[in-house]
Amino acid sequence: ALTQPASVSGSPGQSITISCTGGRNDVGRFKFVSWYQQHPGKAPKLIIYNVDARPSGISYRFSGSKSGNTAFLTISGLRAEDDGHYYCNSYTSTYIWVFGGGTKVTVL
Amino acid sequence: EVQLVESGGTVVPPGGSLTLSCAAAGFAFEENTIHWVRQAPGKGLEWVAYINWNSEETLYADAVKGRFTVSRHNNLNLAYLEMTRLRTEDAGRYFCAKDTQWTIDSWGQGTPVAVSS
Repeated sequence: ALTQPASVSGSPGQSITISCTGGRNDVGRFKFVSWYQQHPGKAPKLIIYNVDARPSGISYRFSGSKSGNTAFLTISGLRAEDDGHYYCNSYTSTYIWVFGGGTKVTVL
Repeated sequence: EVQLVESGGTVVPPGGSLTLSCAAAGFAFEENTIHWVRQAPGKGLEWVAYINWNSEETLYADAVKGRFTVSRHNNLNLAYLEMTRLRTEDAGRYFCAKDTQWTIDSWGQGTPVAVSS
């Protein structure tokens, strides 16, 4: 599994960054890193794919990047509706997909 | 609009079997890979299985390999997850999801599975 911080918090308007650490056989090797937002009782929603691409309809406030074996999700201009869980995901060299443990984002 | 609707979740005793279904609409089902992902109560997402567009390639997480089988019927726009020898740790909500270029991009709402005697 990929390693994410359990929780991150910020005030409205601030920026936060969530890390997702894998290894040379997943995050470090492939561009197929994605991020999902999940609200309680809802299905996950894709917000970033291929490390830094945003699907149609996703706010510019969400951005992705990668350095070595670690991927990052940055949420800028934090809003109340950003409160929820965020998961990273990567394709791996063993032909499977792995998720991070999830990060709870709290908007203070 | 992409629609994925899972069904078949219920309570099953340990050691039992269950088959989940995923009905797809709004996209070219026969051209797309399908994944199954699960989420235990209060826990994170766990990738379970994958089936490519023509069923020639299937992949499984180690935790379910040999017990779960993924299949699909393209003419009916349906995918299935057959689960056998169920364990208490298999309980959770099971999502089917569509794949585009190795990215899981659209999800159903999931169906709950409980494993209990």
